[in-house]
Amino acid sequence: EAQVTQNPRYLITVTGKKLTVTCSQNMNHEYMSWYRQDPGLGLRQIYYSMNVEVTDKGDVPEGYKVSRKEKRNFPLILESPSPNQTSLYFCASSPGDSRTHYEQYFGPGTRLTVT
Amino acid sequence: LAKTTQPISMDSYEGQEVNITCSHNNIATNDYITWYQQFPSQGPRFIIQGYKTKVTNEVASLFIPADRKSSTLSLPRVSLSDTAVYYCLVGASSNDYKLSFGAGTTVTVRA
Repeated sequence: EAQVTQNPRYLITVTGKKLTVTCSQNMNHEYMSWYRQDPGLGLRQIYYSMNVEVTDKGDVPEGYKVSRKEKRNFPLILESPSPNQTSLYFCASSPGDSRTHYEQYFGPGTRLTVT
Repeated sequence: LAKTTQPISMDSYEGQEVNITCSHNNIATNDYITWYQQFPSQGPRFIIQGYKTKVTNEVASLFIPADRKSSTLSLPRVSLSDTAVYYCLVGASSNDYKLSFGAGTTVTVRA
């Protein structure tokens, strides 16, 4: 089954404790992206990757890191989480060409709470 | 990514047709119009995409007038399970990798 998977689905952590949220897709997609969703603010893009070793900042990159060492994986790293990073996080992927780039497949989400 | 404007919310009843209009006055020649649906605590789901005139699939229809400055997503005979947030995105140039979903339109279907 074609899908985007994220782990963990739920995470409660403390301020300053480094964490990684994994994202993997099995559709051989070029493009991957991370979003956060907060009440009243909609979906905001954190980082995106056009291909292996190619990443760029979205609208809200502060406090996050990403890497794209292989095509299927795009982990989101919080080096020193803070309470304002409490949010619902989504990973997405798409084929990447000009039309289908907007046809993104989203993962199930990771609900992160930082205390 | 072209700026879009859509209503914040819409109410409907089961069995009715719901039409959500998205305005995108600065749409570019190469831009496509894409709609997503999001249920609570789930990731958005791609539902339809079009460039001009009309596109129909098993979920919805997308109507795009000749000037392409707006588009209308039509959901036929909605049910309670169609209650969701619907997002309109406009863009797709080869350099347009940054995406913003905006607040979307919350559609509430009542019995």
